[in-house]
Amino acid sequence: DQQVKQNSPSLSVQEGRISILNCDYTNSMFDYFLWYKKYPAEGPTFLISISSIKDKNEDGRFTVFLNKSAKHLSLHIVPSQPGDSAVYFCAVRGGGGSNYKLTFGKGTLLTVNP
Amino acid sequence: KAGVTQTPRYLIKTRGQQVTLSCSPISGHRSVSWYQQTPGQGLQFLFEYFSETQRNKGNFPGRFSGRQFSNSRSEMNVSTLELGDSALYLCASSLRAHLTETQYFGPGTRLLVL
Repeated sequence: DQQVKQNSPSLSVQEGRISILNCDYTNSMFDYFLWYKKYPAEGPTFLISISSIKDKNEDGRFTVFLNKSAKHLSLHIVPSQPGDSAVYFCAVRGGGGSNYKLTFGKGTLLTVNP
Repeated sequence: KAGVTQTPRYLIKTRGQQVTLSCSPISGHRSVSWYQQTPGQGLQFLFEYFSETQRNKGNFPGRFSGRQFSNSRSEMNVSTLELGDSALYLCASSLRAHLTETQYFGPGTRLLVL
């Protein structure tokens, strides 16, 4: 039973346009949400995060939106660049006290075409 | 500043054996988390260590264990290896615990169980 779903295995966009990556989760008790990107043969790289008390966080070209009522998280990349081509994972933090854990989506492969 | 290093990078073991993987975090980072990545299950959180204590734990059996030393280096041990343990094992380090800090991932150890 997947608690975190990235329903699009892949996404292709043109350079300069907006990339929107989506993530749905099931548990309203998740309190922290993160995005990572991963290039082949490398470990994931942290991109941006948001806590459950916010609905938007921006960092340069990257903006994360959190819709708690819909249990939906999205990452917007504007403008998209060819170097953004990678697999993007969303992750959510659940638990509490001394028993937190991160749960990851299966990832979305973003291809930005020049 | 040197990044997260993991040794060995590749490992081949047979069923029933045990294996120990090592992770050296970024200097000054006190939290080390371990993850398993497989094609079928994606990226899954194993556990987090901070100041030599396991702080958070995912849903893996007791065959998976770890420890952290006073210099923050961490080891992960898998006993009685099963074929399904074949995976890329990633560690990540961060300044503080509880998984909301920016985590920096190592390149991973690829384990093949025959």
